[in-house]
Amino acid sequence: RKEVEQDPGPFNVPEGATVAFNCTYSNSASQSFFWYRQDCRKEPKLLMSVYSSGNEDGRFTAQLNRASQYISLLIRDSKLSDSATYLCVVSFKAAGNKLTFGGGTRVLVKP
Amino acid sequence: NAGVTQTPKFQVLKTGQSMTLQCAQDMNHNSMYWYRQDPGMGLRLIYYSASEGTTDKGEVPNGYNVSRLNKREFSLRLESAAPSQTSVYFCASSEEVGGADTQYFGPGTRLTVL
Repeated sequence: RKEVEQDPGPFNVPEGATVAFNCTYSNSASQSFFWYRQDCRKEPKLLMSVYSSGNEDGRFTAQLNRASQYISLLIRDSKLSDSATYLCVVSFKAAGNKLTFGGGTRVLVKP
Repeated sequence: NAGVTQTPKFQVLKTGQSMTLQCAQDMNHNSMYWYRQDPGMGLRLIYYSASEGTTDKGEVPNGYNVSRLNKREFSLRLESAAPSQTSVYFCASSEEVGGADTQYFGPGTRLTVL
């Protein structure tokens, strides 16, 4: 079983709609959680960290469910520019806090 | 600031050839990383360097060597390239290993081994 699993998609989303997707992680000792965004043939960039109480950054909302070992990302009022691959990233102390990446969820926002 | 830079951007090698991928950062970060990204696999850590003068193996170190030349530069060497090493290679840096620290990535090197 992969340490961090994501639905690869693609999620085809009409412009202006809301889309949400999850990521599951296998190690219950995981301590830090992030969403990174990767555009086609570009490098990953940090979108947002995920905090225990959940957090928002503009149209993006991230949630953490430690009991079920998943994190989620919700995008409201989708823009064409939100089309990208979203990478779920987890780290835990026993691995020296190194980051473990999921395979990514591809989102395509269409007019 | 250029951030994290990588050279070359593209490379084609024949099986058995060697090459070094270069990475440099100008953010005065202590930690640097090398990842490979393959379709559907996510990024996998090859080697990392928590500080100048130290290097450690990541998840997939076989077939690679690294050098942390100074605080700015971290190079990845393929001594005898194999087709299985065809991938996109990303270098990254951060202030410290892990925690809530952001990693900043270079633009990547697309390597094909024939």
